[in-house]
Amino acid sequence: EDQVTQSPEALRLQEGESSSLNCSYTVSGLRGLFWYRQDPGKGPEFLFTLYSAGEEKEKERLKATLTKKESFLHITAPKPEDSATYLCAVSRSNDYKLSFGAGTTVTVRA
Amino acid sequence: SQTIHQWPATLVQPVGSPLSLECTVEGTSNPNLYWYRQAAGRGLQLLFYSVGIGQISSEVPQNLSASRPQDRQFILSSKKLLLSDSGFYLCAWSAGSGTDTQYFGPGTRLTVL
Repeated sequence: EDQVTQSPEALRLQEGESSSLNCSYTVSGLRGLFWYRQDPGKGPEFLFTLYSAGEEKEKERLKATLTKKESFLHITAPKPEDSATYLCAVSRSNDYKLSFGAGTTVTVRA
Repeated sequence: SQTIHQWPATLVQPVGSPLSLECTVEGTSNPNLYWYRQAAGRGLQLLFYSVGIGQISSEVPQNLSASRPQDRQFILSSKKLLLSDSGFYLCAWSAGSGTDTQYFGPGTRLTVL
């Protein structure tokens, strides 16, 4: 069975204090690893898809990286508007379905 | 561009009452459609998915059912709600055909009392 584990569960940052979120996974035949952002009471918003080890993608202050066992979401010089829950998910090579981790809730204080 | 709608946004229902949540997608044809439930502080649990009209796959045994009467319409139903059915229900779509990125709707908050 696929397993996706995110750490830490919660992260409190000062504005401008860079940090990283971890997503470790166990999946038979990884096709893709996905990062989403979710604001309270809203649906997840797609951020990135990573398909192969060594791949990196960036969007504003966010940068996602992928290895064979885990992915990191780096937040550089965060702002209060980066406060959200960040979800990681994986898909298998022969499947449409995504398996999600429990998420990391990031709070950025001004 | 593609848009996904869900309604209602919030719902409070008594135990034993029926349920119908609707999801529609605009701007794409023959999408894969998904229903998820999200409990407080937990990840998304896939409930049902559909790769075409009338084709429904269930992921977990439960008190719920799903139907896809039209290409871009996905309905989640229950004949009798349980307290444990409370949660945040999310509909998602993907383009299928090897594209597995899913895009989510705004969600429905269901409270069963």
